[in-house]
Amino acid sequence: QQQVKQSPQSLIVQKGGISIINCAYENTAFDYFPWYQQFPGKGPALLIAIRPDVSEKKEGRFTISFNKSAKQFSLHIMDSQPGDSATYFCAALRLNSGYSTLTFGKGTMLLVSP
Amino acid sequence: DAGVTQSPTHLIKTRGQHVTLRCSPISGHKSVSWYQQVLGQGPQFIFQYYEKEERGRGNFPDRFSARQFPNYSSELNVNALLLGDSALYLCASSLNGNSYNEQFFGPGTRLTVL
Repeated sequence: QQQVKQSPQSLIVQKGGISIINCAYENTAFDYFPWYQQFPGKGPALLIAIRPDVSEKKEGRFTISFNKSAKQFSLHIMDSQPGDSATYFCAALRLNSGYSTLTFGKGTMLLVSP
Repeated sequence: DAGVTQSPTHLIKTRGQHVTLRCSPISGHKSVSWYQQVLGQGPQFIFQYYEKEERGRGNFPDRFSARQFPNYSSELNVNALLLGDSALYLCASSLNGNSYNEQFFGPGTRLTVL
């Protein structure tokens, strides 16, 4: 059972364009929604994250939009650069009794063409 | 300041064998989590350890086990390897397990089961 659904699977954007990745979740018990960036041969690295009581968070060129009622959230990368080419994962964190778990989407491979 | 380190980088085993993967967390971090990332998928939670105790376990068979040592490093053990165990195994460390504290991922160990 996939608890976090991510789309698209892959994305090609021209340099300077806007990259948009969407995610939807099913479990209302999630407490926190991070986005991770992964380069080949590396582990995922936290990019930006949002709590469910906030509708938008912006850090530099990266913005998360969060719609709690629709159980959807998205990542917008403004002025996309070739160096942004990577795989992006949305995730949902749940604080359980004594531990936390991250549930990841399947990932989006982003290619920013020069 | 060193990040999360994992060893070995790559490993090739045959079906039925046993494997041990190692992880050293960031200095000062007391929680270690293990994730399995199958090619083309997002990481999937296996275990979380905090203060040397297992605090959480994902939906993995008993062939998977782990432990955390007094210096907070950790080992992941997989017995009776199956072809389907081929994956990138990621270790993540955080200050503690039950909070919004960022999980920092290591580069992973690529396990191939033949």
